Amino acid sequence: AQSVTQPDIHITVSEGASLELRCNYSYGATPYLFWYVQSPGQGLQLLLKYFSGDTLVQGIKGFEAEFKRSQSSFNLRKPSVHWSDAAEYFCAVGSSYGQNFVFGPGTRLSVLP
Amino acid sequence: DADVTQTPRNRITKTGKRIMLECSQTKGHDRMYWYRQDPGLGLRLIYYSFDVKDINKGEISDGYSVSRQAQAKFSLSLESAIPNQTALYFCATSDGGSQETQYFGPGTRLLVL
Repeated sequence: AQSVTQPDIHITVSEGASLELRCNYSYGATPYLFWYVQSPGQGLQLLLKYFSGDTLVQGIKGFEAEFKRSQSSFNLRKPSVHWSDAAEYFCAVGSSYGQNFVFGPGTRLSVLP
Repeated sequence: DADVTQTPRNRITKTGKRIMLECSQTKGHDRMYWYRQDPGLGLRLIYYSFDVKDINKGEISDGYSVSRQAQAKFSLSLESAIPNQTALYFCATSDGGSQETQYFGPGTRLLVL
């Protein structure tokens, strides 16, 4: 069964600083990987997804993520954080034609002015 | 208009009461899901449905039931609510396929007293 870990429960960065949120997965086959963002009081919005091909994936709001098979990781990055990026971020793993999306526990991002 | 809507957005109920949470979608997707979110646990799958005649239990289905009234509607019921069902509930849809991506509603915040 697949699983997802997000080692950081809470991260605080200053506005304008770079950001990296970690995600590690466990899955026996080729994983399909996702990052979602949940702003306060909102639902989950898809930031980006990886199915195959280029291991560096671009998403919305200036985010990108890199798939590293050797490390079983799919870390999310942003070069310069904005105050509006403060939210909770979820990594998820899915499978082809599968019904099982598995979510990580989430990382809460705080942004200092 | 939002593609996935949930009603109500907030609900307070008492232990032992029966309540229903409703989800509607205009994306034309066959697959629909119910998750609950608890702090530090991410999202956990309660039930999912691949079409109107297909209902499946997820990871934490005990104490819940669902009804798929139409392709666009998927309801979650708590037959006799208990306090540990206090959580944020999300409905999601997907079109299945080889690159399945889930799209989420805004959530229903439920408090069971």
